[in-house]
Amino acid sequence: DQQVKQNSPSLSVQEGRISILNCDYTNSMFDYFLWYKKYPAEGPTFLISISSIKDKNEDGRFTVFLNKSAKHLSLHIVPSQPGDSAVYFCAASETGSSNTGKLIFGQGTTLQVKP
Amino acid sequence: KAGVTQTPRYLIKTRGQQVTLSCSPISGHRSVSWYQQTPGQGLQFLFEYFSETQRNKGNFPGRFSGRQFSNSRSEMNVSTLELGDSALYLCASSVDWDEQYFGPGTRLTVT
Repeated sequence: DQQVKQNSPSLSVQEGRISILNCDYTNSMFDYFLWYKKYPAEGPTFLISISSIKDKNEDGRFTVFLNKSAKHLSLHIVPSQPGDSAVYFCAASETGSSNTGKLIFGQGTTLQVKP
Repeated sequence: KAGVTQTPRYLIKTRGQQVTLSCSPISGHRSVSWYQQTPGQGLQFLFEYFSETQRNKGNFPGRFSGRQFSNSRSEMNVSTLELGDSALYLCASSVDWDEQYFGPGTRLTVT
């Protein structure tokens, strides 16, 4: 049972345009969500997070939106740059429970930003 | 601040052997989590330690174990290695329940 799903395995956008990466989850107990960027043979790099008490969080070019009723979150990258080309993972966790510290990851979306 | 470090970076072992991987968290971080990444299963949670206590465990067999020391450094051990244990093993540290910062990983190959 995959609790966190990234239904698009890949996404290609032009440099300077917006990249939108999507993620759906099924467990309503998730209350903390994160996005990571990963290059091959490296560990994931933390990008941005959002708590379930918010519906939006911004950090520079990155904005994460959370729609709790739809159990959906998205990462917007504006403007996209060639250096953003990587695999992006969304992750979710239940804080303050017996599952604290356990991140459940989606399968990842490969973003290619073309110059 | 120095990031999360993992040693060794690469390891080749034979079926049936055991292996110990090491992780040094970011200074001040008390939580250390371990994940396994494979092409077929993606990133899967192994276990998490906080202040030397295992606080959470994933769905892996008992051959996978870990521990955390008083300085927050952590080790994970895999006994009786199987071919399917070949993977990238990632360690992540955090202050507590919040964002986790990952190390570069240990690439384990079992032959």
